[in-house]
This record gives sequence, structure tokens and C-alpha cells, in this order.
Amino acid sequence: AQSVTQPDIHITVSEGASLELRCNYSYGATPYLFWYVQSPGQGLQLLLKYFSGDTLVQGIKGFEAEFKRSQSSFNLRKPSVHWSDAAEYFCARREYGNKLVFGAGTILRVKS
Amino acid sequence: DAGVTQSPTHLIKTRGQHVTLRCSPISGHKSVSWYQQVLGQGPQFIFQYYEKEERGRGNFPDRFSARQFPNYSSELNVNALLLGDSALYLCASSLAPALQETQYFGPGTRLLVL
Repeated sequence: AQSVTQPDIHITVSEGASLELRCNYSYGATPYLFWYVQSPGQGLQLLLKYFSGDTLVQGIKGFEAEFKRSQSSFNLRKPSVHWSDAAEYFCARREYGNKLVFGAGTILRVKS
Repeated sequence: DAGVTQSPTHLIKTRGQHVTLRCSPISGHKSVSWYQQVLGQGPQFIFQYYEKEERGRGNFPDRFSARQFPNYSSELNVNALLLGDSALYLCASSLAPALQETQYFGPGTRLLVL
């Protein structure tokens, strides 16, 4: 089965530092990839998505992600993290049948 | 515009009971999907409905069922609750169940089974 892997369970960065969250997907046809953010006790908010075209995708809240087919990766980046970015981040891919398959998530902590 | 709404927000049940969770999609969206998120894990797909018909089902037992109404709202039913059913249940809506359509999530219903 196709899958999504987020290697880092927790990441801690200082406020103002850059951020990169890793996401790897298993082999398949051109994937439909997403990054969602979940604040404590909340639902999921879409940050950005990749379907095709330009491999660098811009999202909300200053986030971007780069699709790299050769590395089967879709890493999320932000040049300068704010304390309000502390949350859990999920990478997901759309599978046949239109369901989303999620990674296990990465919890981001921001220290001041 | 209102986003996806879910009710109730929290629910406590005991083992063996039945529960019904409700979801109203974004206006104009005709597809609704349900996901289960156990603490510490990513969401797992349960069902997808489109135009009142089931379009997809995840690897969940028959105790889980759902339906979609003519106004595109949806219910998720879980019978004979087990402790392991304790989770955040998320509803997502999209215009249609097409690969390029984005799913927008509601705030979820947190179910605790004692």
C-alpha cells in the first residue's frame, strides 16, 4: 500500500529560526500531496497542496514545500518561525478512491 | 461563509453503547469523508460519501456505518463501542470526490469510551 512517512516525531526550533519538516511518500504515479496543520484540540487546516507543475509550492502563513520526485519527498519549510506556529503538522497524499493517507505527524515546539 | 461543522464537540460513552456523530459540509460541497484520529497518530480514513452514495470505505469493522442526506450532511454511526474507539472523529468536505479536489476539515468530535 502507498504510504506517507514523517521521520521526525518532535522538532524544537527557536523563534525566528528556519524550519524544515520532512515528508517522504512511497513510490507511485504523480502523487497529490498536502500539508495540514493541527493546533491542540482543533481540526486540520490546509497549508498547501501539490498536484502538478511547479515543484515549489507556496502556502498560507508563510509556508512553502518542495516536491522532489527523485527523493520521493515533499518537505515543508518556513524561513522564520513564529511562536504561533507551534502545532502538529501532517503530510498527506491522495490515494485512489480519493481518500487521504496521512503520516504520523510532527509536533513542532517553538522556544523563545 | 461557514466551514465544516460537526456535532457534538465532545462525547462520553460506555462500552457497548451506540453513538451518532453529525457533520454539515461547506455550502455547495457534495462529498463528505470521515476520519478517525487516535491520540498520537495521523487521521485514518473511514468512509467517503458523494451524492448520498458510499464511494469509499477504509479498513474499519462493520460496527462503523454512515450515511449522507439529501442536503449533503452526514452521520457516522458506531455500534457496540469499544475502548479503542476513543478518538477524535473528523469530517471533511469537498466539492466532489475527485483527485484534485481539496478536502476541508471540521473541528472534530472527541469521543471518549469508558
